[in-house]
Amino acid sequence: SQQGEEDPQALSIQEGENATMNCSYKTSINNLQWYRQNSGRGLVHLILIRSNEREKHSGRLRVTLDTSKKSSSLLITASRAADTASYFCATGAYSGAGSYQLTFGKGTKLSVIP
Amino acid sequence: DAGVIQSPRHEVTEMGQEVTLRCKPISGHDYLFWYRQTMMRGLELLIYFNNNVPIDDSGMPEDRFSAKMPNASFSTLKIQPSEPRDSAVYFCASSPGGVQGYTFGSGTRLTVV
Repeated sequence: SQQGEEDPQALSIQEGENATMNCSYKTSINNLQWYRQNSGRGLVHLILIRSNEREKHSGRLRVTLDTSKKSSSLLITASRAADTASYFCATGAYSGAGSYQLTFGKGTKLSVIP
Repeated sequence: DAGVIQSPRHEVTEMGQEVTLRCKPISGHDYLFWYRQTMMRGLELLIYFNNNVPIDDSGMPEDRFSAKMPNASFSTLKIQPSEPRDSAVYFCASSPGGVQGYTFGSGTRLTVV
């Protein structure tokens, strides 16, 4: 399976600290995406990094991708209480039949303590 | 843009009853996805449509599950008969296609007792 696996499963930090979450996957991908899910809500797309990119920034988010190690990391700098949520990585790839699919990991639960 | 709209937000039903979940995708999005989320299995893709046509339903767990998309602005996921193990949060998502991100609805929390 190409399902991404996030690490750690849960992370608790103080407000203002940086939070780093990792994602590993097993097969070749076209891109990797990160999503956030607040409690009781749907997933929200944060950032997409293509397989030929190594790093991408969006505001306080920094994503890296290492295709040789089949891993990605999401860094949230200067965390805020509002960043408390579950974060999911999703790997996008084309199947043998040519259809594109996005497969999600089980997420990292981030708690930012005020 | 109101985003992806799902209804109902919560559904409690008795085992054996028929359940219908509804989804309105974002206008102009050609792809629609149905996912199921549980603590044990995480987020699982059930089925997806492209231009109203089902493309891959290999994730549909059993024949008790069926999905339709009669037009570009509406899709349903039906479970008949429902069982307690179907209890989960069901999400609908849409995408304009290609490798862009998905937009998710707020989900339907289904409880089968």
